[in-house]
Amino acid sequence: AQKITQTQPGMFVQEKEAVTLDCTYDTSDPSYGLFWYKQPSSGEMIFLIYQGSYDQQNATEGRYSLNFQKARKSANLVISASQLGDSAMYFCAMRGTDSGGSNYKLTFGKGTLLTVNP
Amino acid sequence: DTGVSQDPRHKITKRGQNVTFRCDPISEHNRLYWYRQTLGQGPEFLTYFQNEAQLEKSRLLSDRFSAERPKGSFSTLEIQRTEQGDSAMYLCASSLEAGGFGDTQYFGPGTRLTVL
Repeated sequence: AQKITQTQPGMFVQEKEAVTLDCTYDTSDPSYGLFWYKQPSSGEMIFLIYQGSYDQQNATEGRYSLNFQKARKSANLVISASQLGDSAMYFCAMRGTDSGGSNYKLTFGKGTLLTVNP
Repeated sequence: DTGVSQDPRHKITKRGQNVTFRCDPISEHNRLYWYRQTLGQGPEFLTYFQNEAQLEKSRLLSDRFSAERPKGSFSTLEIQRTEQGDSAMYLCASSLEAGGFGDTQYFGPGTRLTVL
């Protein structure tokens, strides 16, 4: 079964510093996609970054980068130069083919609450 | 570009009542998903449409839940005989079919349901 584990319920970072949010995943399928979403207190899930399992390079999108270590099954999100507006819940998610043959849905972790301090 | 919209944003209902939520996806997106999110958890998949066809339903979706996507455009999610355990945020997402697993699902603002 597919599973996402986010072991940090909460993280604190000083404004302008970098922070790493951890994500490990479990799947037996060699082909899958990994996503990170941000959920502010307003509730909307905002897509941040995507990494495919066969991508050779780590994905980057502006201040976001994904530290993909396939052998360790980890897909950590790195946010550089944190801003006050980065304070939110962050969810790691995976899309792959599960034991039932389904490959459409996203499987989410429980999330990490990031607080950026001024 | 208009994003995914959901209506209503909030719904309070009494146990046993029926409720219906609407989702309007991004206009060119042919895939539509419903998820449910309870407090302190990540979203959980409920159902998936490709165009007007409902291709997958989660075991979480009891027979009190029904979803439709007529004409492959907007979608509705109906919950009959609501229970207090149905209280959650209901999220809709849409995506444009792409190769592999890279078609990004874009989420709406959600409908927060409270069952009294």
